[in-house]
Amino acid sequence: GAVVSQHPSWVICKSGTSVKIECRSLDFQATTMFWYRQFPKQSLMLMATSNEGSKATYEQGVEKDKFLINHASLTLSTLTVTSAHPEDSSFYICSARDQGSGRGEQFFGPGTRLTVL
Amino acid sequence: LAKTTQPISMDSYEGQEVNITCSHNNIATNDYITWYQQFPSQGPRFIIQGYKTKVTNEVASLFIPADRKSSTLSLPRVSLSDTAVYYCLVGPYARGNEKLTFGTGTRLTIIP
Repeated sequence: GAVVSQHPSWVICKSGTSVKIECRSLDFQATTMFWYRQFPKQSLMLMATSNEGSKATYEQGVEKDKFLINHASLTLSTLTVTSAHPEDSSFYICSARDQGSGRGEQFFGPGTRLTVL
Repeated sequence: LAKTTQPISMDSYEGQEVNITCSHNNIATNDYITWYQQFPSQGPRFIIQGYKTKVTNEVASLFIPADRKSSTLSLPRVSLSDTAVYYCLVGPYARGNEKLTFGTGTRLTIIP
């Protein structure tokens, strides 16, 4: 199946710094990618929908100025956590669909574990 | 989007068939039923998707009764590596570009 990668797989940063997470579709193009956040022992919560060439759509309660999303190409979306704080520590996961597959499944990246000290 | 209800957790022994049932009483006409599997510290993985009756692939089977108000994911002869959280999602997911709403999932533990 299609492959989605994320980089880095884990990151530790100091409070107040910004962290960028990359999501790439390796063997397919994706006009739409999704960003999720998952706290320990909890389910995935959708944060935003990333659209290539246009602004992201954020879910209610997600601060767009804190979680900056850029989808500059058909294979890359980035999530920047600005001025990170310990409460932003979480597992961040992206997903995308292979539009050429004709199947209704989304492919998820391996996730990025963010720890803010 | 239709809300789903599934058991919080299940245990099973290796080699047995495991059936996880999901209730979705408010499923809409254009909604599909999709199951994802998630291992710890990994992203979810698509297992199977169906609209009605029965769907089978190399990994699992999905049984959907005529009223579509519930569905059952069947995993044949499970092994320790099937220990994971299984999510049942209901929505217009045929095209795959729709945003997914994850419920609580079922934490399946396989016992040796």
